[in-house]
Formats: sequence, C-alpha cells, structure tokens
Amino acid sequence: DADVTQTPRNRITKTGKRIMLECSQTKGHDRMYWYRQDPGLGLRLIYYSFDVKDINKGEISDGYSVSRQAQAKFSLSLESAIPNQTALYFCATSDGSGEKLFFGSGTQLSVL
Amino acid sequence: AQKVTQAQTEISVVEKEDVTLDCVYETRDTTYYLFWYKQPPSGELVFLIRRNSFDEQNEISGRYSWNFQKSTSSFNFTITASQVVDSAVYFCALSERLRDTGRRALTFGSGTRLQVQP
Repeated sequence: DADVTQTPRNRITKTGKRIMLECSQTKGHDRMYWYRQDPGLGLRLIYYSFDVKDINKGEISDGYSVSRQAQAKFSLSLESAIPNQTALYFCATSDGSGEKLFFGSGTQLSVL
Repeated sequence: AQKVTQAQTEISVVEKEDVTLDCVYETRDTTYYLFWYKQPPSGELVFLIRRNSFDEQNEISGRYSWNFQKSTSSFNFTITASQVVDSAVYFCALSERLRDTGRRALTFGSGTRLQVQP
C-alpha cells in the first residue's frame, strides 16, 4: 500500500463546481504539502501544514483552500473551479529532517 | 525571482551517451538542501538525491553522479551511458526558509525533459 495516497487519481469537472482533492498518509509525518504541476513550470507550492493547527499559504494559494482534518489527512478544495486550474496536483509529506518530500501519485484535474 | 533554474527544457540523446542536466539556484540561506527528483512517464515523483549546503563532495551512485559547487550555485546531474529507461522529466529543487513564515519548503525548477533514443 502507498504511504501517501491521493484520491481521486483523475477528475474532470466543470467551471464553477466545487471540488475536493484528498490526501492521506501512513508515514506518521507532521508536515504535509500540496503542489501543483503545470507543463514548463515545474511544481509550485499551494499550501503547507506543519501540524493540524498550522496551515500556511504557499506561492499560489489564490482560488484554493485546505483542511487538515487529522495528522494523516490534508485536503485541497477548489471552491469554484476555473479552467486554468487544470493541472496535476501532488500531495507530499515530510518528517522535517532534511526536508525530503514523499509524494503521492498525483491527481490529474481537468476543468472544462 | 526564480530560485531554481533549469535552463535546459528538453534534451535528446542516443542510448549510451553521457548527459548532464544543469541546475543553478539562488538563496540567501547559509543552510539549505538541494534535491533531484525524477518523473518518469507514469507521472510519479521519484527521489534521487539530497545534498546539504555544507557537503560539497560529489556523489556517484551507479550511472548517476552529482556535482555540487557552491561557488557557482550549481548542482548538476550527470547520467553516464544513458539508457532508454532514463527517459523522464528531472526536477532540481531547493529547500530554504520561506520569508513569510520562516518555515522550510521545496522550491522546484521547471524541469528538464530527457529523451533517450534507442
């Protein structure tokens, strides 16, 4: 079983819809992150959380919100999806030791 | 300002050629970490190496080697005798303290797509 699990793996939605991407981990890490990958732009940080009560905006947080329901769960929401949010989304965890990230398999989101 | 620059967008080589992927970074931290990740066509991100700013020793792992030079702020990655299975997008990343929170997070370069032709 994967240590960092993202659901769904693929999602197609329409402009204006609310959508939630979920991430759960069994690594016992406190730190969790959401990144977005666009072709030619690499991965950009959306939100990060260092524990359940600690949530911080990243480089590109506009249009997104997050919820850290438990140490193991970190969800990303798009309140009103728009086409330029079409991207590959990655959840990652870290134990804070040397900042190595452990990534989920990604969620490919398409907003029509 | 971009913190991690991978100037090579795409590289194509023939199998068994050596290839070097360039990475130049910018940071004000005195303590930081540098990483390389591989993203094969299947899409997952695979950790390759982490190097801290105090360790400038080059590293070799099989056909892979890394050259870290603080003087030029570079952390280049060389694949010797490339193989078709090396075809992937390779990302360089920098861990540094974020100005607004003081917390550390990874900043990624835009990636280099490597195609190894048989």
